[in-house]
Amino acid sequence: AQSVTQLGSHVSVSEGALVLLRCNYSSSVPPYLFWYVQYPNQGLQLLLKYTTGATLVKGINGFEAEFKKSETSFHLTKPSAHMSDAAEYFCAVSEGSYKLIFGSGTRLLVRP
Amino acid sequence: NAGVTQTPKFQVLKTGQSMTLQCAQDMNHEYMSWYRQDPGMGLRLIHYSVGAGITDQGEVPNGYNVSRSTTEDFPLRLLSAAPSQTSVYFCASRFDRSAEKLFFGSGTQLSVL
Repeated sequence: AQSVTQLGSHVSVSEGALVLLRCNYSSSVPPYLFWYVQYPNQGLQLLLKYTTGATLVKGINGFEAEFKKSETSFHLTKPSAHMSDAAEYFCAVSEGSYKLIFGSGTRLLVRP
Repeated sequence: NAGVTQTPKFQVLKTGQSMTLQCAQDMNHEYMSWYRQDPGMGLRLIHYSVGAGITDQGEVPNGYNVSRSTTEDFPLRLLSAAPSQTSVYFCASRFDRSAEKLFFGSGTQLSVL
C-alpha cells in the first residue's frame, strides 16, 4: 500500500534562506509524486509533479523537487524564501490510479 | 468556469443530525472525490467517483454516503453526525485517470456538537 511521510510538521526559515521540506514515500510500483500548497482558508493548489522522465522537477513560484528512487524521497526546495511562501505544504503519492494519498503536511513559517 | 464549488462554507450540527455537503464542478471532470482534513493528519480520502453512477470507498468511508447521478455533482451525506466528524471537508476533481492535477474546492468547515 502506498503511503507518504512528511518529516517535520512545522518548519521555520528566515526570509531569503533556503527552504527544504522533506517527503518520503512508500509504493510497490513506480509512483507519481506531487507537492500541493494550501494558503490560509483555501483549497490545495498543485505546486509540481513527478510522473516519469527527469528526476528534478520544477514547479511554480521557484519551487523544485528531486525524485530519488534509492532514498524513496521527493524533497521540496526553494533557494530563497519569500514571505508569501508561508503556507502548508502537502506531499502526495499516486500509483497511477485514481487514489491520491496525502502526507500529514508541513507548515512553513517565514520570519522577516 | 467556476471550477469546483462547495456549499456550505460553514456548518454546525448537533450529534445525530443529518446533512449533505454539496460539490459541483463545471469542467466536465470524470473523477471527483471527497477528503477530510484534520490537524496533524493531512487529507484523508473518504469516497471517490470515476464517473456518473460509479463510486468507491477511500481510506475513511465510515459514516459517509455518496452518489454520482450526474457528471457535475458529487454530494457527501452524513446520515447521523458524530463529533468525530468535525473537520474541514474538501471536494476535488480531475479530468480523467491520466490527468495528474487535482482541482480543489475551497472547503466546508463542519462542527458537530
